Amino acid sequence: DQQVKQNSPSLSVQEGRISILNCDYTNSMFDYFLWYKKYPAEGPTFLISISSIKDKNEDGRFTVFLNKSAKHLSLHIVPSQPGDSAVYFCAATLITTSGTYKYIFGTGTRLKVLA
Amino acid sequence: NAGVMQNPRHLVRRRGQEARLRCSPMKGHSHVYWYRQLPEEGLKFMVYLQKENIIDESGMPKERFSAEFPKEGPSILRIQQVVRGDSAAYFCASSPQQTYGYTFGSGTRLTVV
Repeated sequence: DQQVKQNSPSLSVQEGRISILNCDYTNSMFDYFLWYKKYPAEGPTFLISISSIKDKNEDGRFTVFLNKSAKHLSLHIVPSQPGDSAVYFCAATLITTSGTYKYIFGTGTRLKVLA
Repeated sequence: NAGVMQNPRHLVRRRGQEARLRCSPMKGHSHVYWYRQLPEEGLKFMVYLQKENIIDESGMPKERFSAEFPKEGPSILRIQQVVRGDSAAYFCASSPQQTYGYTFGSGTRLTVV
């Protein structure tokens, strides 16, 4: 049961244009959402996050939008740069019945920014 | 200021052998999490540990897998009698408390031949 879905396995964008990565979720109990970026042979690195009480968070070229009614999350990168080429994972956090937090990750979208 | 250190980076085991994956959290971090990434899949939660305690092991397979985080030394993920389906990248993350935004290590890529 995939609670966090990234339906586009890959995306190609021209340098300087906007990259939009999408993520859908099914569990309305998720309270925090994050995007991680992963280069080959490296671990994921935290990129940006958003609380479920907000609908937008911006950090430089990266903006995350949250549409709770649609259970949809998106990451906008503008302008896209070749160094942004990586796999992007969205993740959602859930408080378990034992009171601990758990991250649920999507399957990732491979972004390729073309020079 | 070292990050999360995982070793080995690559591990090859024959079917039936044991695999031991080590994770040293960032300095000051007492919470450790193990995730597994199978080919073409996302990161799947396996286990969450604090020093000397397993807090949540709901993602661990019931057999052959175990994890520990002793008072001294790294966290260890142990896989006994490995099978080909255990081939994956295993990532460890740590945090200073159970808050958002873990720091991940570079992973151990296990190949079972």
